Formats: sequence, structure tokens, C-alpha cells
Amino acid sequence: DAKTTQPNSMESNEEEPVHLPCNHSTISGTDYIHWYRQLPSQGPEYVIHGLTSNVNNRMASLAIAEDRKSSTLILHRATLRDAAVYYCILRGGPNAGGTSYGKLTFGQGTILTVHP
Amino acid sequence: NAGVMQNPRHLVRRRGQEARLRCSPMKGHSHVYWYRQLPEEGLKFMVYLQKENIIDESGMPKERFSAEFPKEGPSILRIQQVVRGDSAAYFCASSPAATWAKNIQYFGAGTRLSVL
Repeated sequence: DAKTTQPNSMESNEEEPVHLPCNHSTISGTDYIHWYRQLPSQGPEYVIHGLTSNVNNRMASLAIAEDRKSSTLILHRATLRDAAVYYCILRGGPNAGGTSYGKLTFGQGTILTVHP
Repeated sequence: NAGVMQNPRHLVRRRGQEARLRCSPMKGHSHVYWYRQLPEEGLKFMVYLQKENIIDESGMPKERFSAEFPKEGPSILRIQQVVRGDSAAYFCASSPAATWAKNIQYFGAGTRLSVL
């Protein structure tokens, strides 16, 4: 499986934008980039995903580099409730085959601390 | 539409006892995944099931652990003869389909198992 690299931790102030980076230099052409987050004492929660183009939803934006070797999750205005561990995960495309397409492979993620 | 329901939320067992963790997927979802999060560690995939079938059990410990997803009723993760090292948070996720890279998994709140 292609590997992702994220900073161990980041800090932000409330109401400010947060840019969470992820490197995935070995990404394949059909891999989708997914982001999940895990709030304290809760299960993981889907945030956003994309393939090549930048994506926006109500929670966040995903900016994908032109060469797809990196991406950035953008929280436009951080709140205290956004304090969580953020995971960047690659998922195989429709021709991935095998059984790896089902599971999510979580790395260590980035611990985001939001200061009031 | 209710989310993924896991019960119990907390489970205490003595060494040597059996633990049964239940997971009811979201309505309309026929794919279930189990993950384990050991204290101070990341989330690790355990098993992926469809109704009445185990699709991928590559993350399951070889002994004492089993999982099922019967035609009727919730998915069950069963741990026989629990040991202290089994103490962890166990998360269940469900999805409507698994073979496509855009597929999103929805997680439950988890069952926290403590082995005395």
C-alpha cells in the first residue's frame, strides 16, 4: 500500500485557518486521497476525499498538488471542536484488486490542538 | 437514520472470560469492518465482513478472536479467554459498498474493553 507522511502535531488558534499537510510520493494513478479525523474518545469520522481536483464540502477543503504527491486539508476557521487526530489515507482505485481495497490503513496522523 | 451502533460502550472482563462486542451497521449497509485501538497506539484493521462472509481477516490475531456477520442481526466480534493485552477500544464501521475507492466508512462510537 502507498504510504502517507504527516506531521505528528500542529497547533492553531480558534477562528484561524488550519492547513494540514500530507505527503504521498508513491501514490498510484488510481488512488483516492481520503481524510478522516478522530475526536477524543470517539470513533473516526470521514472528512473529505478527492482524486485530482480540489474538493470542498461543509467540513473542509482538500487541495491536491498537481503531481498528486502531496495534499493539504484546509479547515477554514478552526473551532475548539476541531481538535482531533487527522488521518490522511490512500485508497485504491477500482482495479486495485485483492482484499486491500476494503480496509482503511491508518497511520499515526496529525494531532491538531486548537487554542481559544 | 441511525448511525453505526455498538454495544456495549464499556465492557469489563476478568482474564479468561469471553467478550462479545456487537455492531449494528447503518441501514442499508451490508459491509462491516472491525478496528482495534490499543492504548497510545493507532487504529489497526482487524476484519472485513459482508453478510455471512468473511472477506478479509488479515488483521485478526490467529487465536481467540473470531467475527461473524449473520444474515440477520448485528455483527459480533468475539474474544475468547481474554488477556490484559486485549484491553483496547474496538471500533466497528460500515459502508454500503467496499470495492470503490470513493467508498466512505461510517464508524461507531466504539466499545472500550477492560480486562482485569
